[in-house]
Amino acid sequence: TQLLEQSPQFLSIQEGENLTVYCNSSSVFSSLQWYRQEPGEGPVLLVTVVTGGEVKKLKRLTFQFGDARKDSSLHITAAQPGDTGLYLCAGARSGGGADGLTFGKGTHLIIQP
Amino acid sequence: DAGVIQSPRHEVTEMGQEVTLRCKPISGHNSLFWYRQTMMRGLELLIYFNNNVPIDDSGMPEDRFSAKMPNASFSTLKIQPSEPRDSAVYFCASSHGYPEAFFGQGTRLTVV
Repeated sequence: TQLLEQSPQFLSIQEGENLTVYCNSSSVFSSLQWYRQEPGEGPVLLVTVVTGGEVKKLKRLTFQFGDARKDSSLHITAAQPGDTGLYLCAGARSGGGADGLTFGKGTHLIIQP
Repeated sequence: DAGVIQSPRHEVTEMGQEVTLRCKPISGHNSLFWYRQTMMRGLELLIYFNNNVPIDDSGMPEDRFSAKMPNASFSTLKIQPSEPRDSAVYFCASSHGYPEAFFGQGTRLTVV
């Protein structure tokens, strides 16, 4: 079983602060995705990283895929209350073809005004 | 375009009753996934279909759970008989090109 460990489980910070959350595994993934889930809603895809060492930016969010494609990080600059949510990482076992994703349990992020 | 549509949004049922959850995937998507989410276990893949054919149902917890996809625009997840430990949020997701999945809003199931 390929497991994705996310840390921290819970994080509460003040508006304007920076933060980093992590997604780690002992397994190699062909790609990794980050989703954000708000209460009462389904997860929404933020980004997919494919290449080892890849860095992608989405406004104040920076995503990095580890060189060995086993881990990833999400950094948020100047966090805002709208960033509050559950951040999930998901690893893909094989490239191409239909398959299921392996999800971490997520980081619950609260940004206080 | 409409996203993945799930119904009902909320379901409260008594233990032993049959429960049917429904999903309409995004038009043109050829893969459909059923997930279950709980605080303890997070998001768990129950079963997925490719071109309406079940590919992997190893995540289905017991024989009480069954899923069908009679055509490209509809799928059901049935629990019979339901038990309190089945209480969770059930998500349907679809994909047109793995690995990105698009989720519905979920069905919150409470079995009392």
